[in-house]
Amino acid sequence: DTGVSQDPRHKITKRGQNVTFRCDPISEHNRLYWYRQTLGQGPEFLTYFQNEAQLEKSRLLSDRFSAERPKGSFSTLEIQRTEQGDSAMYLCASSFGGPGYTEAFFGQGTRLTVV
Amino acid sequence: EDKVVQSPLSLVVHEGDTVTLNCSYEVTNFRSLLWYKQEKKAPTFLFMLTSSGIEKKSGRLSSILDKKELFSILNITATQTGDSAIYLCAVSGGGADGLTFGKGTHLIIQP
Repeated sequence: DTGVSQDPRHKITKRGQNVTFRCDPISEHNRLYWYRQTLGQGPEFLTYFQNEAQLEKSRLLSDRFSAERPKGSFSTLEIQRTEQGDSAMYLCASSFGGPGYTEAFFGQGTRLTVV
Repeated sequence: EDKVVQSPLSLVVHEGDTVTLNCSYEVTNFRSLLWYKQEKKAPTFLFMLTSSGIEKKSGRLSSILDKKELFSILNITATQTGDSAIYLCAVSGGGADGLTFGKGTHLIIQP
């Protein structure tokens, strides 16, 4: 499978715990995006990387959210001290291109449930 | 703040009907408008539009952009039950380099 891969597909955690999600983009794509999607809403942009550089992080929902892409390949999204309001689908997408925007391809998402 | 409004939010039609989904937007420094289909999990890419008046077509689906009036439509002809999904419209532009999505249109095709 050469598409965008996310792991885990589902995560149930207790409030206050930390969680980490992984995204493996399409191999030749240099841009990687994280989105959050709640029920009845479209995906909400969180952050993105071009290679290993995080070029936008002001949209991260709080300082409990952080993302890394240490070698410009896979990325991780961490949520510390989870809250019930963090329950959502977390989607990763990747694309190839420079400053202009090209179509992004999405992974299957990680569904987080905070109990 | 960038904004995308889709209408209708939900639509139920019978197989064989033609549907038109609407997307209006407000965005600074517009680059492109994209349509995605979301069935269960991952949104799958349909079209990317950058120029006004040029129709993009793929099988029974087509889309066009009007940059003067700031809207796009997605047409699906001869609908099939497999077209049932949420159709998402998104725009690229502004300062953040991510996409701004609308809430989507939930399309249900009845046999």
